[in-house]
Amino acid sequence: EIVMTQSPATLSVSPGERATLSCRASQSVSSNLAWYQQKPGQAPRLVIYGASTRATGIPARFSGSGSGTEFTLSISSLQSEDFAIYYCQQYNNWLLTFGGGTKVEIK
Amino acid sequence: QVQLVESGGGVVQPGRSLRLSCAASGFSFSSYSMHWIRQAPGKGLEWVAVISYDGGNKYYADTVKGRFTISRDNSQNTLYLQMNSLREEDTAMYFCARGGVSGETYGPGNYNKYWGQGTLVTVSS
Repeated sequence: EIVMTQSPATLSVSPGERATLSCRASQSVSSNLAWYQQKPGQAPRLVIYGASTRATGIPARFSGSGSGTEFTLSISSLQSEDFAIYYCQQYNNWLLTFGGGTKVEIK
Repeated sequence: QVQLVESGGGVVQPGRSLRLSCAASGFSFSSYSMHWIRQAPGKGLEWVAVISYDGGNKYYADTVKGRFTISRDNSQNTLYLQMNSLREEDTAMYFCARGGVSGETYGPGNYNKYWGQGTLVTVSS
């Protein structure tokens, strides 16, 4: 099983500031890495796939980078609607795995 | 538009069974692999199982292997999860999610672009 480790667990950011979230895989997942946003009571929403491609309707302030084992999700200027939990997911292996999540909260 | 609607959740005693359904619409269901993913209350996401577009390949998380069975009816555009020998630790919101088109159930394209709203399963005596 590929273990996905996200850091930090909680990120306190002021609106308008930049947020940087990290995700590390226990072995290479190439670029088969996705990021999801989840708000309370809602299903996850795809934000990034292929490590760096924004999903349909995702604002340009979201960007993803990395390959292999180290990945980053950046949100350039946090808006109120961006405060949520973000999960990374690898789909390089038949046993898909998620990271534990990073909660982005208002500072 | 793509819609995934889960049903079948509820309260069940440990050791009993439950079958979840996921009705799909708005896309060519028979062309895509499909996943079940769950989330225990207040916890993160846990992948449960995947089935290939034609039902020929199925994979399971170790935590459910031997107890859960994923299946699909492409004529009815419906995905299923048969859950047997339920345990309290199976308590969770269960989401169905679309995978990639044809081919393998992992690798490029096999992210989960569309999700249902989930159905809640509570295992309790």
